[in-house]
Amino acid sequence: EVQLVESGGGLVKPGGSLRLSCAASGFTFSNAWMSWVRQAPGKGLEWVGRIKSKTDGGTTDYTAPVKGRFTVSRDDSKNTLYLQMNSLKTEDTAVYFCATHGEYGDFPDYWGQGTLVTVSS
Amino acid sequence: EIVLTQSPATLSLSPGERATLSCRAGQSVSNYLAWYQQKPGQAPRLLIYDASKRATGIPTRFSGSGSGTDFTLTISSLEPEDFAVYYCQQRSIWPLTFGGGTKVEIK
Repeated sequence: EVQLVESGGGLVKPGGSLRLSCAASGFTFSNAWMSWVRQAPGKGLEWVGRIKSKTDGGTTDYTAPVKGRFTVSRDDSKNTLYLQMNSLKTEDTAVYFCATHGEYGDFPDYWGQGTLVTVSS
Repeated sequence: EIVLTQSPATLSLSPGERATLSCRAGQSVSNYLAWYQQKPGQAPRLLIYDASKRATGIPTRFSGSGSGTDFTLTISSLEPEDFAVYYCQQRSIWPLTFGGGTKVEIK
């Protein structure tokens, strides 16, 4: 059974940093492209970033609102995905989901339950 | 960035009725479009991919159609568990984007 479990969310002040983790199990993590998607309270879904498998180059892509501030990385030896968030802004307040790109490619089919990040003074 | 516009924002229907949801892309996405269902406090669930193909385990009452810029998700007969928010998503080009969502609520 595929499981994705996010952790690391919490309250942080504007300008601060936070690192989220996503522990994966039930599939071959090293072969999977992975993404972070966020959802502000009461709002819609927004892509944050994606990382390809190392066999596909291991490259990362980001959306404009987070580029230069957020970094997606992976540790295949630990089956874990990370999101390093720096220079946080109040508009980064959201539930952050990790998701795996499985048999449907860039339509992620397995998602974690999400972790809430609140940026407030 | 490809903007996806969903309509209506809210759809008020009764169980057993047919639901028709629309997603319009700002430029052609070919058939690279998916539909997700999200219930409160839950992660999104993939329903339809490549515009018209049902994901594994999705009931046949869910169907998708369209190509290019205009897409439709149809729920043939609403079950109580289908009342939720539905999002479309394109994978034609990066950044991957979602529509703003349609809430299907009980009338």
